[in-house]
Amino acid sequence: QSALTQPASVSGSPGQSITISCTGTSSDVGGYNYVSWYQQHPGKAPKLMIYDVSKRPSGVSNRFSGSKSGNTASLTISGLQAEDEADYYCSSYTSSSTWVFGGGTKLTVL
Amino acid sequence: QVQLVQSGAEVKKPGASVKVSCTASGYTFTTYYIHWVRQAPGQGLEWMGIINPSGGSTNYAQRFQGRVTMTSDTSTSTVYMELSSLRSEDTAVYSCAGESGVATKAFDYWGQGTLVTVSS
Repeated sequence: QSALTQPASVSGSPGQSITISCTGTSSDVGGYNYVSWYQQHPGKAPKLMIYDVSKRPSGVSNRFSGSKSGNTASLTISGLQAEDEADYYCSSYTSSSTWVFGGGTKLTVL
Repeated sequence: QVQLVQSGAEVKKPGASVKVSCTASGYTFTTYYIHWVRQAPGQGLEWMGIINPSGGSTNYAQRFQGRVTMTSDTSTSTVYMELSSLRSEDTAVYSCAGESGVATKAFDYWGQGTLVTVSS
Protein backbone atom coordinates (compact mmCIF):
# COMPACT_ATOMS: atom_id res chain seq x y z
CA GLN A 1 0.00 0.00 0.00
CA SER A 2 1.68 3.21 -1.16
CA ALA A 3 1.49 6.37 0.91
CA LEU A 4 -1.01 9.00 -0.12
CA THR A 5 0.52 11.97 -1.96
CA GLN A 6 0.64 15.35 -0.24
CA PRO A 7 2.67 18.46 -1.10
CA ALA A 8 5.77 18.68 1.05
CA SER A 9 5.06 22.24 2.06
CA VAL A 10 2.55 25.05 1.79
CA SER A 11 2.61 28.56 3.17
CA GLY A 12 0.30 31.49 3.70
CA SER A 13 0.02 34.79 5.49
CA PRO A 14 -2.14 35.36 8.56
CA GLY A 15 -5.77 35.74 7.58
CA GLN A 16 -5.36 33.98 4.26
CA SER A 17 -6.69 30.56 3.28
CA ILE A 18 -4.64 27.58 2.21
CA THR A 19 -5.53 24.15 0.85
CA ILE A 20 -3.59 20.92 1.26
CA SER A 21 -4.30 18.11 -1.19
CA CYS A 22 -4.11 14.39 -0.56
CA THR A 23 -4.15 12.08 -3.58
CA GLY A 24 -4.72 8.36 -3.44
CA THR A 25 -6.42 5.74 -5.54
CA SER A 26 -9.84 4.19 -5.97
CA SER A 27 -8.78 1.60 -3.36
CA ASP A 28 -8.47 4.17 -0.64
CA VAL A 29 -9.40 7.87 -0.90
CA GLY A 30 -11.66 7.42 -3.91
CA GLY A 31 -13.37 4.31 -2.62
CA TYR A 32 -14.46 5.39 0.85
CA ASN A 33 -15.59 8.50 2.69
CA TYR A 34 -13.14 7.66 5.46
CA VAL A 35 -10.51 10.33 4.97
CA SER A 36 -9.18 12.01 8.10
CA TRP A 37 -6.71 14.81 8.73
CA TYR A 38 -4.25 15.29 11.59
CA GLN A 39 -2.32 18.29 12.86
CA GLN A 40 1.04 17.67 14.51
CA HIS A 41 3.13 20.28 16.25
CA PRO A 42 6.83 19.49 16.83
CA GLY A 43 7.35 16.93 19.56
CA LYS A 44 3.61 16.47 20.08
CA ALA A 45 1.12 13.74 19.33
CA PRO A 46 -1.06 14.16 16.23
CA LYS A 47 -4.48 15.74 16.75
CA LEU A 48 -7.55 14.73 14.77
CA MET A 49 -8.90 17.73 12.84
CA ILE A 50 -11.25 16.21 10.24
CA TYR A 51 -12.85 12.77 9.85
CA ASP A 52 -15.26 11.23 7.37
CA VAL A 53 -13.85 13.64 4.72
CA SER A 54 -15.50 16.75 6.11
CA LYS A 55 -16.64 16.32 9.72
CA ARG A 56 -15.00 18.21 12.57
CA PRO A 57 -14.56 16.69 16.02
CA SER A 58 -15.92 18.67 18.91
CA GLY A 59 -13.59 21.52 19.80
CA VAL A 60 -11.92 21.88 16.41
CA SER A 61 -12.23 25.35 14.91
CA ASN A 62 -14.63 25.79 12.00
CA ARG A 63 -11.72 27.43 10.15
CA PHE A 64 -10.77 23.86 9.25
CA SER A 65 -12.78 22.14 6.52
CA GLY A 66 -12.41 19.07 4.36
CA SER A 67 -13.66 17.89 1.00
CA LYS A 68 -13.09 15.20 -1.59
CA SER A 69 -13.32 14.85 -5.34
CA GLY A 70 -12.54 11.51 -6.92
CA ASN A 71 -9.25 10.19 -5.59
CA THR A 72 -8.17 13.52 -4.08
CA ALA A 73 -9.12 14.88 -0.68
CA SER A 74 -8.41 18.39 0.50
CA LEU A 75 -7.99 20.23 3.78
CA THR A 76 -8.69 23.95 3.77
CA ILE A 77 -7.68 26.26 6.57
CA SER A 78 -9.25 29.70 6.43
CA GLY A 79 -8.24 32.80 8.40
CA LEU A 80 -4.73 31.43 8.95
CA GLN A 81 -3.32 31.97 12.42
CA ALA A 82 0.21 31.61 13.73
CA GLU A 83 -0.76 28.58 15.81
CA ASP A 84 -1.83 26.74 12.64
CA GLU A 85 1.84 26.34 11.72
CA ALA A 86 2.39 22.58 11.98
CA ASP A 87 2.65 19.39 9.97
CA TYR A 88 -0.57 18.02 8.52
CA TYR A 89 -1.23 14.42 7.57
CA CYS A 90 -4.13 12.85 5.72
CA SER A 91 -5.18 9.26 6.26
CA SER A 92 -7.58 6.93 4.50
CA TYR A 93 -9.15 3.57 5.15
CA THR A 94 -8.36 1.11 2.36
CA SER A 95 -9.91 -1.83 0.54
CA SER A 96 -7.55 -4.17 2.45
CA SER A 97 -9.15 -3.09 5.75
CA THR A 98 -5.94 -1.24 6.54
CA TRP A 99 -5.12 2.44 6.83
CA VAL A 100 -2.61 4.56 4.94
CA PHE A 101 -1.17 8.00 5.69
CA GLY A 102 0.02 10.73 3.41
CA GLY A 103 3.63 11.80 3.51
CA GLY A 104 2.77 14.97 5.42
CA THR A 105 2.70 18.68 4.60
CA LYS A 106 4.58 21.36 6.49
CA LEU A 107 2.47 24.49 6.83
CA THR A 108 4.36 27.73 7.32
CA VAL A 109 2.51 30.85 8.40
CA LEU A 110 4.51 33.74 6.99
CA GLN B 1 -11.17 11.68 30.33
CA VAL B 2 -9.79 9.17 27.84
CA GLN B 3 -6.10 8.51 28.32
CA LEU B 4 -3.66 6.20 26.57
CA VAL B 5 -0.41 5.92 28.52
CA GLN B 6 2.56 4.16 26.95
CA SER B 7 5.65 2.53 28.38
CA GLY B 8 9.01 4.27 28.42
CA ALA B 9 11.78 4.61 25.87
CA GLU B 10 13.73 1.54 24.81
CA VAL B 11 17.17 0.94 23.34
CA LYS B 12 17.63 -2.35 21.50
CA LYS B 13 20.34 -4.05 19.49
CA PRO B 14 19.75 -5.13 15.88
CA GLY B 15 18.00 -8.48 15.73
CA ALA B 16 16.32 -8.07 19.10
CA SER B 17 12.62 -7.59 19.84
CA VAL B 18 10.80 -4.76 21.60
CA LYS B 19 7.42 -4.81 23.33
CA VAL B 20 5.63 -1.49 23.89
CA SER B 21 2.56 -1.20 26.10
CA CYS B 22 -0.41 1.15 25.94
CA THR B 23 -2.68 1.34 29.00
CA ALA B 24 -6.14 2.79 28.55
CA SER B 25 -8.35 4.60 31.02
CA GLY B 26 -11.43 6.79 31.03
CA TYR B 27 -13.60 4.52 28.88
CA THR B 28 -14.68 0.91 28.56
CA PHE B 29 -11.52 -0.76 27.27
CA THR B 30 -13.19 -3.19 24.89
CA THR B 31 -15.15 -0.52 23.01
CA TYR B 32 -12.29 1.23 21.21
CA TYR B 33 -10.13 -0.30 18.51
CA ILE B 34 -6.44 0.45 19.08
CA HIS B 35 -4.05 1.22 16.24
CA TRP B 36 -0.27 1.43 16.27
CA VAL B 37 1.46 4.16 14.27
CA ARG B 38 5.17 4.87 14.04
CA GLN B 39 7.17 7.92 13.04
CA ALA B 40 10.87 7.71 12.21
CA PRO B 41 12.97 10.78 13.05
CA GLY B 42 12.07 13.62 10.70
CA GLN B 43 9.68 11.38 8.77
CA GLY B 44 5.93 10.98 8.39
CA LEU B 45 3.37 8.79 10.09
CA GLU B 46 3.19 5.11 9.19
CA TRP B 47 0.27 2.86 10.10
CA MET B 48 1.35 -0.51 11.50
CA GLY B 49 -1.82 -2.32 12.46
CA ILE B 50 -5.01 -2.53 14.48
CA ILE B 51 -6.27 -4.67 17.32
CA ASN B 52 -9.79 -5.12 18.59
CA PRO B 53 -9.35 -5.48 22.38
CA SER B 54 -12.65 -7.32 22.49
CA GLY B 55 -11.59 -10.69 21.22
CA GLY B 56 -8.06 -9.76 20.15
CA SER B 57 -8.52 -9.83 16.38
CA THR B 58 -5.80 -8.01 14.49
CA ASN B 59 -4.91 -6.73 11.04
CA TYR B 60 -1.37 -5.69 10.20
CA ALA B 61 0.14 -3.59 7.44
CA GLN B 62 1.69 -5.89 4.86
CA ARG B 63 5.21 -4.58 5.41
CA PHE B 64 5.12 -5.65 9.07
CA GLN B 65 3.48 -9.04 8.55
CA GLY B 66 5.52 -11.71 10.28
CA ARG B 67 7.44 -9.21 12.44
CA VAL B 68 4.70 -7.53 14.49
CA THR B 69 2.35 -8.96 17.07
CA MET B 70 -0.38 -6.97 18.80
CA THR B 71 -2.10 -8.35 21.87
CA SER B 72 -4.47 -7.10 24.54
CA ASP B 73 -5.03 -7.82 28.22
CA THR B 74 -8.51 -6.88 29.33
CA SER B 75 -7.64 -7.42 33.00
CA THR B 76 -5.23 -4.48 32.90
CA SER B 77 -6.78 -2.51 30.01
CA THR B 78 -3.48 -2.74 28.21
CA VAL B 79 -2.58 -3.32 24.58
CA TYR B 80 0.89 -4.47 23.54
CA MET B 81 2.83 -4.13 20.31
CA GLU B 82 5.85 -6.39 19.83
CA LEU B 83 8.20 -5.88 16.90
CA SER B 84 10.88 -8.48 16.24
CA SER B 85 14.07 -8.73 14.15
CA LEU B 86 14.76 -5.08 14.77
CA ARG B 87 17.00 -3.14 12.41
CA SER B 88 18.27 0.41 12.48
CA GLU B 89 15.44 1.55 10.20
CA ASP B 90 12.98 0.64 12.97
CA THR B 91 14.26 3.51 15.10
CA ALA B 92 11.12 5.58 15.58
CA VAL B 93 8.50 6.87 17.95
CA TYR B 94 5.78 4.24 18.30
CA SER B 95 2.33 5.48 19.26
CA CYS B 96 -0.95 3.82 20.07
CA ALA B 97 -4.09 5.55 18.85
CA GLY B 98 -7.68 4.87 19.80
CA GLU B 99 -10.58 4.66 17.37
CA SER B 100 -13.68 5.37 19.43
CA GLY B 101 -16.17 4.94 16.62
CA VAL B 102 -17.48 8.48 17.05
CA ALA B 103 -14.98 9.56 14.42
CA THR B 104 -15.41 6.74 11.93
CA LYS B 105 -12.21 4.97 10.90
CA ALA B 106 -10.14 7.74 12.48
CA PHE B 107 -7.75 8.04 15.39
CA ASP B 108 -9.26 10.37 17.94
CA TYR B 109 -7.11 9.58 20.96
CA TRP B 110 -3.33 9.20 21.01
CA GLY B 111 -0.75 7.96 23.45
CA GLN B 112 2.30 10.06 24.23
CA GLY B 113 4.58 7.94 22.04
CA THR B 114 7.48 5.64 22.90
CA LEU B 115 10.90 6.17 21.38
CA VAL B 116 12.53 2.93 20.30
CA THR B 117 16.17 3.24 19.32
CA VAL B 118 17.86 0.38 17.49
CA SER B 119 21.61 0.62 17.66
CA SER B 120 24.57 -1.69 18.04
